[in-house]
Amino acid sequence: GQQVMQIPQYQHVQEGEDFTTYCNSSTTLSNIQWYKQRPGGHPVFLIQLVKSGEVKKQKRLTFQFGEAKKNSSLHTAATQTTDVGTYFCAGHNDYKLSFGAGTTVTVRA
Amino acid sequence: DAGVTQSPTHLIKTRGQQVTLRCSPKSGHDTVSWYQQALGQGPQFIFQYYEEEERQRGNFPDRFSGHQFPNYSSELNVNALLLGDSALYLCASSLVRGHTQYFGPGTRLTVL
Repeated sequence: GQQVMQIPQYQHVQEGEDFTTYCNSSTTLSNIQWYKQRPGGHPVFLIQLVKSGEVKKQKRLTFQFGEAKKNSSLHTAATQTTDVGTYFCAGHNDYKLSFGAGTTVTVRA
Repeated sequence: DAGVTQSPTHLIKTRGQQVTLRCSPKSGHDTVSWYQQALGQGPQFIFQYYEEEERQRGNFPDRFSGHQFPNYSSELNVNALLLGDSALYLCASSLVRGHTQYFGPGTRLTVL
């Protein structure tokens, strides 16, 4: 079945620095979605990418969908303490969402 | 406009028991999906309900079953509980199958 892998599992970032988390699927996806889960909370939708090579920005976050629609990345610029949480990518195929294990981000001031 | 709601918030059961979790989708949404999230893991897809039928299913045993009602609300039933069923159970609703999913706050199930 479809598998979605995320790296790194943990990201410890100095406030103000940039970081990138990567997502790879074993199969071609119809779309990919990104979610953020704060400690003790539930996943909150961030964005959906549909087209091959698509790039979308949300303030300091830049999301990219690979040309083959099998990988994606999330780049965070100028990290802030509000960026703390676990970021999940979720590959969408056959009406199912397959989540990666997430990248847990901590920030040191 | 209420978002996705789930009940109960927390639940403690013992091995072998049965449990029913409930979910009310976001207003206007007709599709409900259930996920199991173990500690430190990503949500794992259990199944999806649309038009009161199970449309898709993940790799979960038949002990996991569900139902969707005419008002689009849904239940997740788990029989013969195992210790490994301890997890956060998330319900997500969407307007149509395949669209953005909105998650509820989850039900934390502990099996002793």
